[in-house]
Amino acid sequence: AQKVTQAQTEISVVEKEDVTLDCVYETRDTTYYLFWYKQPPSGELVFLIRRNSFDEQNEISGRYSWNFQKSTSSFNFTITASQVVDSAVYFCALSEADSSASKIIFGSGTRLSIRP
Amino acid sequence: DTGVSQDPRHKITKRGQNVTFRCDPISEHNRLYWYRQTLGQGPEFLTYFQNEAQLEKSRLLSDRFSAERPKGSFSTLEIQRTEQGDSAMYLCASSLYRGGIDTQYFGPGTRLTVL
Repeated sequence: AQKVTQAQTEISVVEKEDVTLDCVYETRDTTYYLFWYKQPPSGELVFLIRRNSFDEQNEISGRYSWNFQKSTSSFNFTITASQVVDSAVYFCALSEADSSASKIIFGSGTRLSIRP
Repeated sequence: DTGVSQDPRHKITKRGQNVTFRCDPISEHNRLYWYRQTLGQGPEFLTYFQNEAQLEKSRLLSDRFSAERPKGSFSTLEIQRTEQGDSAMYLCASSLYRGGIDTQYFGPGTRLTVL
């Protein structure tokens, strides 16, 4: 069964601090895809990143970085030098390659609040 | 490039009424997905279309729910005889599927409140 766990329900940090959002997933497939989406107060889910299960290279995009470790089934997301505009709910998600629907299984989200 | 749009953004209805939501995908995206999101949870898959064909429906989609994508462009999601438990955000996403994996782009959602 597929499952995505985001154990941190809420995180609050002061601006300019670094923050890491944890994501642990479960799947029986050997080929799968992992995602992070951001949901600001406006409600629209914004795509951040997609990784496939064969690519364990960490990725950095500006202040954002992602750490994918198959050994621990984790796909953690770090924001460096956080800003107030980073305040949002962040969802980690999983899609299995043999699912023709490409339907995404989402975690329950982590609400991140950045205090000025 | 215009994103996914949904209409209305908010809908308040009384229990027992029917409601219909519309989703306009990104132009030329061949796949369209519907999700439901309740407070404090991540979105849950409801159904999806490839062009005009509805290819999968979640068991979450009861008989009171029906979705269409008649011309392979916009889609509608209808809920008949609404119940208070239907109160949620209904999200639409679209993607360009060419085999393999597609990245889904989401609309702003329609927030439904059933009184």
